[in-house]
Amino acid sequence: EAGVTQSPTHLIKTRGQQATLRCSPISGHTSVYWYQQALGLGLQFLLWYDEGEERNRGNFPPRFSGRQFPNYSSELNVNALELEDSALYLCASNAGTSGQNTGELFFGEGSRLTVL
Amino acid sequence: GENVEQHPSTLSVQEGDSAVIKCTYSDSASNYFPWYKQELGKRPQLIIDIRSNVGEKKDQRIAVTLNKTAKHFSLHITETQPEDSAVYFCAASPYGNNRLAFGKGNQVVVIP
Repeated sequence: EAGVTQSPTHLIKTRGQQATLRCSPISGHTSVYWYQQALGLGLQFLLWYDEGEERNRGNFPPRFSGRQFPNYSSELNVNALELEDSALYLCASNAGTSGQNTGELFFGEGSRLTVL
Repeated sequence: GENVEQHPSTLSVQEGDSAVIKCTYSDSASNYFPWYKQELGKRPQLIIDIRSNVGEKKDQRIAVTLNKTAKHFSLHITETQPEDSAVYFCAASPYGNNRLAFGKGNQVVVIP
């Protein structure tokens, strides 16, 4: 069974540009979570999508946004990039609110965003 | 929202010794406490979790203890091995597992 996949693996942008990151959850999972992992700051919660809707967002500015598609894949958009947005962006999935949720988050390998 | 703190930030242990990492949380309503392990260059993976209705859970060489009164929980690794070297993240949530707040991570180094 395929795990959570993310693309691109690496992305280099300059300040002010926009970045789009993509995530495909494990088959059967309806929830997708986005986390930012910046050096020394651990895993900071960005967004949670379930069944196509945004369920919750963390303490990030509105220029961080995303969406979930009917096939449950998701994309994260970061507008007006700033230097401090450089980080590893991790996507995770689980069965969400479907009742099949065991509690475990299954993470992808991440997308490394570098802002110059 | 929930705030989770981990300490120490770095822990070095001799192979075969035990390692203990402690986390504190702020929201007394939190009821789910997982631990994730992230090896260098790899994705975080769940190693053990505990819910608020139990005080301790064991799985082979790892165990987690929960003190709801003091609002802290700890990861215990016994008979450490080099493959235990990794960053360990604790997390807590008052919403089950659907909105986890992670700590900043502990770097554990097992010295052969």
